[in-house]
Parts: sequence; structure tokens; C-alpha cells
Amino acid sequence: QQPVQSPQAVILREGEDAVINCSSSKALYSVHWYRQKHGEAPVFLMILLKGGEQKGHEKISASFNEKKQQSSLYLTASQLSYSGTYFCGTQPIYNFNKFYFGSGTKLNVKP
Amino acid sequence: DAGITQSPRYKITETGRQVTLMCHQTWSHSYMFWYRQDLGHGLRLIYYSAAADITDKGEVPDGYVVSRSKTENFPLTLESATRSQTSVYFCASGGLAETGELFFGEGSRLTVL
Repeated sequence: QQPVQSPQAVILREGEDAVINCSSSKALYSVHWYRQKHGEAPVFLMILLKGGEQKGHEKISASFNEKKQQSSLYLTASQLSYSGTYFCGTQPIYNFNKFYFGSGTKLNVKP
Repeated sequence: DAGITQSPRYKITETGRQVTLMCHQTWSHSYMFWYRQDLGHGLRLIYYSAAADITDKGEVPDGYVVSRSKTENFPLTLESATRSQTSVYFCASGGLAETGELFFGEGSRLTVL
């Protein structure tokens, strides 16, 4: 039931870009993205509800391809503060009440 | 203060003992969730609740029991703790249908010896 995330880990230099992918085997109602700093709770970044929707949050944006049941998170011109573990969360259409998270992508931005 | 709180934050127990992790939210969110976080597995759903007195299993419910007699509380009980239940447990709440955002508690780190 868990969506699959890739890559598992990314190392970047400040200013570089990264893409994190999330894929589900089930039809989705929504996709969420969260970021977790070490030792802290996950924090909400954005939600995508419609197929083909794209949203932005500072220099972090995401897309949702409803037909492919995939979402991608784009981090442009990365900053040190972007370091952390990113999780996608999914609500399947067949059971709107459940909310599953992927295994996470650890992002390390270096100076 | 408004928010979602978990207790205890840290707990060490022995195999076979019963442990209850508490979760309290002040927003009156209808949905509440329990996840466990283990290295390499991300966040795995244990149980969730759509409203008071409505609970259902997630991906990894074995060995856990939940209840929700009041909207604001969602305790998670390990009836007979095992070493494999050593983990960080996160409680989350949200409106889902409204904004979709989940708010997480600070986590409860449980060690079973």
C-alpha cells in the first residue's frame, strides 16, 4: 500500500536542483508532500488534488500525473535549509480515509 | 495551546509488558492516525480513525490496539510489547476532506528490551 519513492537519498551542493519521485500502484485521490528534519516531526509542504496539477511553495514545486499515479517534487536552487527527509503521502480513491506514506528520500544539501 | 501532543516522549519497557501511548489534539479534527517510523521503512500506518468510535486497521496493525471514545484522544496500546515494536511512533490529525494537511505530534520513542 505504501507508495514507492525514488531516489532513496540525494546529495546536493547549494544552488543545485533535485527531483524526487513518488509512484503508487493504486488510483489516487490526492498526493501530499512532507519534509522531516532530523529528530523532528514531518511538516506539510503541499497537497495536489487533481490530475496534472502543479503547485509551488517557495522554490519547491510538485506535479501530479493522475493517470500514471505518479507525483514528482522539484527542488530548485537548493538551500541548506532544504536538507531533511521528504515523504510523499497518498490517499487512494478506493479508501479515502487511509493515508499512506512512502519510505522517504533523504536530501543532504552541502555548502 | 492548540496543537497535537503525544506522551510519553520516551519510554523504555520490557518484552511482554503493556504500553499505552497517548495522543491528544485540540483542533477537533475528525481524522487521527498512528504511524511507526523505522529506518528504511518510512512511515507505516498502524491504525486510523475517521471519527469518534470509528477506527480501522492500517498496514501494520498486529500487536496494537486503539480506541477513540472522544474526538480529541486517540491512544495506542501495545498489549504485549515485543522487541520488533521498538520504534518511533507518530500520531497525526487532520481534516482531510477540508484542507488535507496532516499535523503530526512530536513522536514517542519506544524501546522494548
